[in-house]
Amino acid sequence: EVQLLESGGGLVQPGGSLRLSCAASGFTFSNYAMSWVRQAPGKGLEWVSAISGGGADTYYADSVTGRFTISRDNSKNTLYLQMNSLRAEDTAVYYCAKAMHYYGRGGLDVWGQGITVPVSS
Amino acid sequence: DIVVTQTPLSLSVTPGQPASISCKSSQSLLHGDGKTYLSWYLQKPGQSPQFLINEVSNRFSGVPDRFSGSESGTDFTLKISRVEAEDVGVYYCMQSTELPWTFGQGTKVEIK
Repeated sequence: EVQLLESGGGLVQPGGSLRLSCAASGFTFSNYAMSWVRQAPGKGLEWVSAISGGGADTYYADSVTGRFTISRDNSKNTLYLQMNSLRAEDTAVYYCAKAMHYYGRGGLDVWGQGITVPVSS
Repeated sequence: DIVVTQTPLSLSVTPGQPASISCKSSQSLLHGDGKTYLSWYLQKPGQSPQFLINEVSNRFSGVPDRFSGSESGTDFTLKISRVEAEDVGVYYCMQSTELPWTFGQGTKVEIK
C-alpha cells in the first residue's frame, strides 16, 4: 500500500524554525517528484514546494522562497521541509504529496494525512 | 503566475442530479511536451485531498466513471453525472504546467 506519513509539526514562535519529515512507503520513492502543499485554517490549498525524483531540481512558491528548503533522502525514502523565519501566515496544515512523474507535472496522486504547524507567540 | 479561477464557489445538488464545476486559467496550460497539466482533487470533510483526474480528463485509479473532465481552450470542467452523498466536499483544480503550480479557490459541493 502506498503511504505517506508526515511528522515534525508543532507550535513554533514567529521567527523560529521547524523541519517537517514525510516517510514514504509502498512505491519506488526515487522515481517520483514529491511536493508540499499547505492549507491555512478555513482556507484552500496552496502549493508550497516540489523536488524532482533525484533531488537535483527544487521549486518554491514565492511566499516561501528564501525561507523554506525542500530536500529528500532517497536512501531513507524520506522527504523534508526545512522551514526558517516562520511567520504567523505560515500557520497551516502541511501535506506531503507524491507526484505522478519524475519531474512533477501530471498531478499529485497520493497525499499524507497532513501535519499542523501553528506559528504563534 | 497562472491564475486559476473556479466557479461556482459553492453548489447544492440533489442526489442523482448532475453537477458541473468550472476552472478557468489565465493562460494556456498546454505544455511544450504537448500535454495539458490540469488536475482535479476532492477534499472530503476532515480528510486529506484525494486525486480524481489528471491531464484534464484521465480518471485516477478507482475514481467512479460518473466523474469526467473536459476542456475548451483555457476553460476546464469537472462533471459529475449523478451526484451521490459520498461526493460532498470541496473540489479543487490545479495547474502544474508552469511554476509555481497553482490551485483554484475550491468549490464546496453539498447535498440538498
